[in-house]
Amino acid sequence: KNEVEQSPQNLTAQEGEFITINCSYSVGISALHWLQQHPGGGIVSLFMLSSGKKKHGRLIATINIQEKHSSLHITASHPRDSAVYICAAFSPGRNQFYFGTGTSLTVIP
Amino acid sequence: EPEVTQTPSHQVTQMGQEVILRCVPISNHLYFYWYRQILGQKVEFLVSFYNNEISEKSEIFDDQFSVERPDGSNFTLKIRSTKLEDSAMYFCASSEASQGSAFFGQGTRLTVV
Repeated sequence: KNEVEQSPQNLTAQEGEFITINCSYSVGISALHWLQQHPGGGIVSLFMLSSGKKKHGRLIATINIQEKHSSLHITASHPRDSAVYICAAFSPGRNQFYFGTGTSLTVIP
Repeated sequence: EPEVTQTPSHQVTQMGQEVILRCVPISNHLYFYWYRQILGQKVEFLVSFYNNEISEKSEIFDDQFSVERPDGSNFTLKIRSTKLEDSAMYFCASSEASQGSAFFGQGTRLTVV
């Protein structure tokens, strides 16, 4: 059983397209992270959300606590956005993160 | 901007050898975590550490694993006798409070041959 589900698993987009990656979770959480993992494997934290919406450049992240759902949007996608995007939900009861399987995004010029 | 640093970035070791992966968390953080990601699989929780002791650990974190905060700045993961299946990317994270605002390190890629 996966506490965190992401969709889609793989996504190919043309440069300039608007992209949405979804994350649903079943555990009680206090925070949800969106992470970016490049081919070398290193992880960069993009957002940490506990409610509402955050924006950073072309990236927007939203969370709906009642529906236990979060989305990551990329506007005007660019080939350098190609990476794996991972959703990680923090459970304070277990003091650990639960990770989604990741969405592999490829943006074609 | 503060960051969590991990060394080395890549380590190759022979099966059966001991390895120590090092992490320097952000200085005022109190909660520390190790995660791993086997190639092609999702990131998995290993252990959380607070107040100089383990607070949670997963089934993966068996007797061959140990963690330590030896000097107040480093946070280490030791694998006593490495197996081929320990080959993975190991990530350290730290947070100020146990509410999920964690910072992740860039990871150490461990290859066991």
